[in-house]
Amino acid sequence: QSVLTQPPSVSGAPGQRVTISCTGTSSNIGAGYDVQWYQQLPGTAPKLLIYGNRNRPSGVPDRFSGSKSATSASLAITGLQAEDEADYYCQSYDSSLSGYVFGAGTKVTVL
Amino acid sequence: QVHLQQWGAGLLKPAETLTLTCAVNGDSLSSYYWNWIRQPPGKGLEWIGDINRDGSTNYNPSLKSRVTISVDTSKTQFSLKLSSVTAADTAVYYCARSEGLRFFDWLYLWGQGSLVTVSS
Repeated sequence: QSVLTQPPSVSGAPGQRVTISCTGTSSNIGAGYDVQWYQQLPGTAPKLLIYGNRNRPSGVPDRFSGSKSATSASLAITGLQAEDEADYYCQSYDSSLSGYVFGAGTKVTVL
Repeated sequence: QVHLQQWGAGLLKPAETLTLTCAVNGDSLSSYYWNWIRQPPGKGLEWIGDINRDGSTNYNPSLKSRVTISVDTSKTQFSLKLSSVTAADTAVYYCARSEGLRFFDWLYLWGQGSLVTVSS
């Protein structure tokens, strides 16, 4: 069982907005540690999508946005496109475990 | 442009030691932490541990007793050893570079991944 909790799947029609939640505890997100988001297409290495809760690396479309509040974080995808169909993972640091932790991943399906 | 290239044995028998190496091309290993992450087939990502150029390491407590991460600055490489492997260690293993403030950092640069299968 992952330390960070994500929904197994979300879906939406092209053009719609979807959100993925990432719920942690007082030893990770709630302790103030940043949340990162990664996108993983089938058969490829994860790609950094959001860092420091809400920052996008160069080249990541502004359709992707991140937010954080208390012990949870969210990734929003607006204007959903077929190419967004992938697995998405949140990641943070956990002070109780003294290590980095990931969510179990959320599969985004474009209907 | 910096990129990571990893290699190692892809098929192991139970109880053997997994060894993977990641070459850092275009960087001197400075100012970053260098990580190993794994992903069992059809499952999520698991952080294994990291190391800096001075050899300071940090391991996932669930794997700590079996993991050793080392660095060779002369070759700009870092390596992973996981001892006493079982079928549960079958996974794609990734090397990656951390960027940002320690404990608030992110994984921007990733290797291509190496599938390691443990089977008798």
